[in-house]
Amino acid sequence: AQRVTQPEKLLSVFKGAPVELKCNYSYSGSPELFWYVQYSRQRLQLLLRHISRESIKGFTADLNKGETSFHLKKPFAQEEDSAMYYCALSGGSGNTPLVFGKGTRLSVIA
Amino acid sequence: GAVVSQHPSRVICKSGTSVKIECRSLDFQATTMFWYRQFPKQSLMLMATSNEGSKATYEQGVEKDKFLINHASLTLSTLTVTSAHPEDSSFYICSAGTSGNTGELFFGEGSRLTVL
Repeated sequence: AQRVTQPEKLLSVFKGAPVELKCNYSYSGSPELFWYVQYSRQRLQLLLRHISRESIKGFTADLNKGETSFHLKKPFAQEEDSAMYYCALSGGSGNTPLVFGKGTRLSVIA
Repeated sequence: GAVVSQHPSRVICKSGTSVKIECRSLDFQATTMFWYRQFPKQSLMLMATSNEGSKATYEQGVEKDKFLINHASLTLSTLTVTSAHPEDSSFYICSAGTSGNTGELFFGEGSRLTVL
């Protein structure tokens, strides 16, 4: 069964501190992993995906197949990073739905 | 990036009435659309998958007679909540993908339904 686990509901860090949002998954195949972000009163938007291996807004995430993890990291948190972050898994095409984790609310304290 | 638009963004209705929510892909053709439901401070739960020109596939526990989904064209899917009750109050979000794309989905801004 497909499953995405985000163990932390809420993560509070001080501005300038490193951030790591945890995500573990289970999937019997080769999944695509994503991080979506939802800022206050805005729609869900893609932050990054594992296949692109890019850094967006200073965030990176590495797919670790051995640990079935896709943790989101940023070395120095900024106040504008405060948002809801969802890890999501896809079977790999636009015709399959995303399976979401429960989300982690990141709060960056000034 | 691709744009998905939902309408209305907010709707309040009386118990027993029906409400229709529209989801449009503005600049691409969406062969598949997905409807999610999000309860306060919770994650997105997939309700159904709609494919253009065919019947929607509903997730376990979702009443297909209550949540009618129509995907009559490659740019429009509608969700109708029939005989709405207060427990149907929620945030409904549609998303769309294309067959040529990888697994990325594009999300609408969501529709908040309040049933009095």
